[in-house]
Amino acid sequence: AQTVTQSQPEMSVQEAETVTLSCTYDTSESDYYLFWYKQPPSRQMILVIRQEAYKQQNATENRFSVNFQKAAKSFSLKISDSQLGDAAMYFCAYRSTNAGKSTFGDGTTLTVKP
Amino acid sequence: SAVISQKPSRDICQRGTSLTIQCQVDSQVTMMFWYRQQPGQSLTLIATANQGSEATYESGFVIDKFPISRPNLTFSTLTVSNMSPEDSSIYLCSVGKGIGGELFFGEGSRLTVL
Repeated sequence: AQTVTQSQPEMSVQEAETVTLSCTYDTSESDYYLFWYKQPPSRQMILVIRQEAYKQQNATENRFSVNFQKAAKSFSLKISDSQLGDAAMYFCAYRSTNAGKSTFGDGTTLTVKP
Repeated sequence: SAVISQKPSRDICQRGTSLTIQCQVDSQVTMMFWYRQQPGQSLTLIATANQGSEATYESGFVIDKFPISRPNLTFSTLTVSNMSPEDSSIYLCSVGKGIGGELFFGEGSRLTVL
């Protein structure tokens, strides 16, 4: 079974600064997908960024980028130029190609200070 | 994308009763999932709702306690049976479009059992 570990229960960042959220995972599969989801206090989960395991190039979405290290099974999220609206709980998730279901980490609560 | 409507958004129930949560999607989807989330904590997969066949349950979840229906590709229900205070949680409906695609989430149903 796959596991996803987020070692930072809470992080804080100053507005306009950069913050990195950590995620490691364990799997025996070679083909899979990794995601970062954001859950604001209103509760609805939305996608931040997605990475295919077979792609070496790190995914980027505007101010959000990942550092994907397949051999190390590491998938960190970097948020640049942090904004107040980035405050939320962030979940790292693994999605199996075979089963289609996803496994989530415990989440990191990000606070953005003005 | 997919827009998911969940009903009820919240409810307070008495111990020993049952509650059915509905999930309606605005388009046909192959994969539907039911998750449980304690406030501020991670998501735990309850089951995968399969259209036209019995749901696939994760370890620790059984059909008698969490019966699931999926009569078509846009609708599913999750029933929480014989509720106890330990069932108090947020129940999330999620759908996936295609292998490796992101998950879309409803706003959740917050259940409190007294």
